[in-house]
Amino acid sequence: AQKITQTQPGMFVQEKEAVTLDCTYDTSDQSYGLFWYKQPSSGEMIFLIYQGSYDEQNATEGRYSLNFQKARKSANLVISASQLGDSAMYFCAMREGGDSGGSNYKLTFGKGTLLTVNP
Amino acid sequence: EAGVAQSPRYKIIEKRQSVAFWCNPISGHATLYWYQQILGQGPKLLIQFQNNGVVDDSQLPKDRFSAERLKGVDSTLKIQPAKLEDSAVYLCASSPRPVARYNEQFFGPGTRLTVL
Repeated sequence: AQKITQTQPGMFVQEKEAVTLDCTYDTSDQSYGLFWYKQPSSGEMIFLIYQGSYDEQNATEGRYSLNFQKARKSANLVISASQLGDSAMYFCAMREGGDSGGSNYKLTFGKGTLLTVNP
Repeated sequence: EAGVAQSPRYKIIEKRQSVAFWCNPISGHATLYWYQQILGQGPKLLIQFQNNGVVDDSQLPKDRFSAERLKGVDSTLKIQPAKLEDSAVYLCASSPRPVARYNEQFFGPGTRLTVL
């Protein structure tokens, strides 16, 4: 079974509108972390936002927010006021295990969603 | 602060040839990761180093792939001999000794390998 599922291969959004990119995950760990990365055509992975499994509030970073629904095992990324520069691949990833500072912070990635922002 | 450096950026080889990739992590970062990203997929971890020791190499095809980080700084990933299915982008990432709550990984630009 896939640990990270991103069901939207591609999404389109008009500039200045909001868009939600879906991510569901599967883990039996009680403590885990969820990440979103952006990968523009240049290839570099850019960290956007993080949500810990014990965080009570949804994470926000500027125009990015994470809609975390623990019971549903979903961690959707919301981008508000889309910009042309937001066009890129977006990956959801999970780290199983807690924030305690252990050495094995392996990330498992989904297959990604290609976001295209139209002018 | 300089980011994660990788070279070469692009490499084209024929199957059965050998190839090596180099990665220099962010200064002071103890943990180094090599990922393989096949077109249309997310990155898959190949190997993780903590300083110069291997933490996880469970998904490294050890019959043809090898990696080292001898002095706990830069690292080399080698493929010998290459197969067609090795065509991918090879990403290197580093993270500091876990102090940040989520131990963010910082990625390099990747090396795009094409095996003909």
